[in-house]
Amino acid sequence: EAQVTQNPRYLITVTGKKLTVTCSQNMNHEYMSWYRQDPGLGLRQIYYSMNVEVTDKGDVPEGYKVSRKEKRNFPLILESPSPNQTSLYFCASSLVRGNGYTFGSGTRLTVV
Amino acid sequence: SQQGEEDPQALSIQEGENATMNCSYKTSINNLQWYRQNSGRGLVHLILIRSNEREKHSGRLRVTLDTSKKSSSLLITASRAADTASYFCATALIDFNKFYFGSGTKLNVKP
Repeated sequence: EAQVTQNPRYLITVTGKKLTVTCSQNMNHEYMSWYRQDPGLGLRQIYYSMNVEVTDKGDVPEGYKVSRKEKRNFPLILESPSPNQTSLYFCASSLVRGNGYTFGSGTRLTVV
Repeated sequence: SQQGEEDPQALSIQEGENATMNCSYKTSINNLQWYRQNSGRGLVHLILIRSNEREKHSGRLRVTLDTSKKSSSLLITASRAADTASYFCATALIDFNKFYFGSGTKLNVKP
């Protein structure tokens, strides 16, 4: 089944403890992206990647890192999480940039 | 929002009725897409309409695009309780360097 898999689905962590949210797609998509969704603010793009080893900042990249060493994986790294990064995170991929996205099921992160 | 704004923010209708949601945007686009999100879940791509298209259909969905007014509408005909969800428009800008989601319309279809 064609899908984007995110893990974990839920995560509670403490301020400052590094964490990684994994994202993997099995559709050979070139374009991958991370979004966060907050009430009243909608979905905002954090980082995106147009292909292996090509990444760029979205609208809210501060406090996040990404890497794209393989086409299928696009992990999101929070080096020192803070409470304002508490949010619902989505990974998405598309065959090429600007086409329809396939979204993962989301990761609900709480930073205390 | 930098781009898409949906209207209304919330819509409640009876099963069988039609639901219409609108999206307005600010800058020229390459395409506009509509997505559905069930509560807390991932978004599901519904339909994509390119800037040179005016109308597109997919099953019970009808999307229109008016680039002169920078607006789009999503019509769901003969709605069902299972259509209850939030609906988002998303715009891909001309050079694809940005892709923006609107704030969403929360649709409630009562059985």
